[in-house]
Amino acid sequence: EAGVVQSPRYKIIEKKQPVAFWCNPISGHNTLYWYRQNLGQGPELLIRYENEEAVDDSQLPKDRFSAERLKGVDSTLKIQPAELGDSAVYLCASSPLPWERETQYFGPGTRLLVL
Amino acid sequence: AQSVSQHNHHVILSEAASLELGCNYSYGGTVNLFWYVQYPGQHLQLLLKYFSGDPLVKGIKGFEAEFIKSKFSFNLRKPSVQWSDTAEYFCAVNGENYGGSQGNLIFGKGTKLSVKP
Repeated sequence: EAGVVQSPRYKIIEKKQPVAFWCNPISGHNTLYWYRQNLGQGPELLIRYENEEAVDDSQLPKDRFSAERLKGVDSTLKIQPAELGDSAVYLCASSPLPWERETQYFGPGTRLLVL
Repeated sequence: AQSVSQHNHHVILSEAASLELGCNYSYGGTVNLFWYVQYPGQHLQLLLKYFSGDPLVKGIKGFEAEFIKSKFSFNLRKPSVQWSDTAEYFCAVNGENYGGSQGNLIFGKGTKLSVKP
C-alpha cells in the first residue's frame, strides 16, 4: 500500500514570503494530522482533521497559518507570511480511524528553511 | 499539561550491546503509549504500542517495552543491538477516551541511537 505522500520535500524561502505544503494520506484514512518538528524536538501537533472537518486546531498559529482538507482527502498547509522561526520539518500523518489507539502513519516531511 | 521525557539525548553502543531507552510521562488518566522510530533518511514509523493487558509489549525487530504504571514509565529495550538499529527513537503518549486535544499524541524529544559496527 502506498504511504503518506508529501511535497515538496525541501523548501527554501525568504522571510515574509508565503509557502504551502501538500499532503496525500493513505487511501481510506479519514484522520489526517499536521505536525511541526523543530530541530532536536519531537513532532508537535498543529491540526487534526476527521474527514474534511478540522476537529482540533488549538495549536495552529492562526494569524499566519491556515490549512484545508477539501473533499476529505488531500490537505494543504499554508504559512503567510513566513518568519525565521518557522524553519522546521512539517510532517503529515494519517490514521484509519479517529481513535487514540490507532497507529499514525507518517509521511517523509517537508523541510522548510526560512532565510 | 501532559509531557513526555526522554532522558538520553544520544546513546552510543557497540553491536551486541543491550539497549534501554528511558521514557517517562506526565498524564492524569489512562494512557496509550507508543514508540516510534526514524531510520536515517526515512519517515517515522511505529515500533510498538501499549494500551492495555500485558505490560510487556513486543514490537518489530526484536524491540520490547515495559509499562510500569507506578513509575509512569515506558522504557524501550533490546537485548542485542545491531548496526541497522542506528536511528532516532521517539516515545509518545495520548489519553485513552479523552475528547478533544487530550487524545492527541504528545512526543518526547527523541533519543538518537548510534550503533558502532
